[in-house]
Amino acid sequence: DAKTTQPPSMDCAEGRAANLPCNHSTISGNEYVYWYRQIHSQGPQYIIHGLKNNETNEMASLIITEDRKSSTLILPHATLRDTAVYYCIAPPYPGGSQGNLIFGKGTKLSVKP
Amino acid sequence: EAQVTQNPRYLITVTGKKLTVTCSQNMNHEYMSWYRQDPGLGLRQIYYSMNVEVTDKGDVPEGYKVSRKEKRNFPLILESPSPNQTSLYFCASSRSGDTQYFGPGTRLTVL
Repeated sequence: DAKTTQPPSMDCAEGRAANLPCNHSTISGNEYVYWYRQIHSQGPQYIIHGLKNNETNEMASLIITEDRKSSTLILPHATLRDTAVYYCIAPPYPGGSQGNLIFGKGTKLSVKP
Repeated sequence: EAQVTQNPRYLITVTGKKLTVTCSQNMNHEYMSWYRQDPGLGLRQIYYSMNVEVTDKGDVPEGYKVSRKEKRNFPLILESPSPNQTSLYFCASSRSGDTQYFGPGTRLTVL
């Protein structure tokens, strides 16, 4: 797995966009970037993934730089329920991680009223 | 509803008393995994299975057993639990290995 680096914590005002950065400078050409989040000891929840194009789904948007060395997860209108630890992961593809995702420490996002 | 279920959700037991934590998924996924989560150590994989009757060790398999007799079930067995196995356990399933869907967790305390 490529090593990923995330800030340990971030704050965001409710209703504003939350932009969570991730550096993955050692990522190789066939490694996807995945984002998961974990809300207070619940099971981690898959959010989104991408290879080189920007991606959007009902939960978030993922912006990947052209050189693929970094990405940003965007929660467009953060709510209090988005308070969680967010993990950026770059497992080898396809299934080269054998389903063993290396979660690291992630970014603790606190959404404040 | 597509989901991964685990039982029990909470368990307090004593050293040496065999226990099983069940995991079941209704998404017809090939991959299933068990993780444990400990403060400061993050999530670590215990065992994984790529299909029925195919299992292999993850990063921290000592003291655990698994079986995969049916596609939907992947129980975690602790033959002789010890206090260092006190942890929060998660089961996950996946079609491909990387987009994983996690269960709600089982909080185990071994006295």
